[in-house]
Amino acid sequence: GESVGLHLPTLSVQEGDNSIINCAYSNSASDYFIWYKQESGKGPQFIIDIRSNMDKRQGQRVTVLLNKTVKHLSLQIAATQPGDSAVYFCAETLPLGSSASKIIFGSGTRLSIRP
Amino acid sequence: DTGVSQNPRHKITKRGQNVTFRCDPISEHNRLYWYRQTLGQGPEFLTYFQNEAQLEKSRLLSDRFSAERPKGSFSTLEIQRTEQGDSAMYLCASSLGISGNEQYFGPGTRLTVT
Repeated sequence: GESVGLHLPTLSVQEGDNSIINCAYSNSASDYFIWYKQESGKGPQFIIDIRSNMDKRQGQRVTVLLNKTVKHLSLQIAATQPGDSAVYFCAETLPLGSSASKIIFGSGTRLSIRP
Repeated sequence: DTGVSQNPRHKITKRGQNVTFRCDPISEHNRLYWYRQTLGQGPEFLTYFQNEAQLEKSRLLSDRFSAERPKGSFSTLEIQRTEQGDSAMYLCASSLGISGNEQYFGPGTRLTVT
C-alpha cells in the first residue's frame, strides 16, 4: 500500500556534526522521492528530491541516498547548524493524472541541535 | 512576499459551527492542493485543482468538506458542522504544471474545534 515511514522520531546532533535521517518506503513502484523540512509554524519546505534512476543526489550541504534494493532513503546534512532544527519528512509521490502528483508524507523526524 | 498565503493563520471555533479558509497560490500557478496535518504526523492529501476544476478528492474529504477555486486563482476550503476531530493544520500548496511536480506550501491554517 501507500506507506512511507521513518526509523526514528527524534534525532539530537551536536552543532557542526553531520546528521543522518533515515526513511523506509513500502511501494516498490515509487519513482520519485522528496525530503521536506518543516519549521515550527510553517509549511513544509522542499529540500531535495531524487528519482528512482539515481542512487545519490547532492545539494548545498545536503545529500540524499536511495537504496531501491531495501527500499530505503536517507538525508545527510553536513555541518549541522542551529537553523537546521526542524521536523524532516521523507515523501513519495503518486500520480493524479495530467502529470500532477499528490505527495505521500511519512510521519517525520524531529532534528534538534546541541550547542 | 510572492509565496503561498493562507488566511486566517489560526481559527478557534465551537463544535457544530462552519468555518472557511482561504488560500492564495503563487501567481500563475495553475495547480492547487489542500492537505491536512495533525500533530506529530505528516500532511495528508485532501484535494487538488487544476485551474478551476477539482480533479481529485481524497476519501478523507467527507461530505462536510467542500473546496472551491471559482476563478482558477484563490481557493476556499469550507468545513460544515465542525467536529473535534477536524482540529488540525490545513495546508495549501501550489505548483506550475509545466515545470514539474514541485509543490510550494503555505504556512497553513491551524483549526481548533472546542
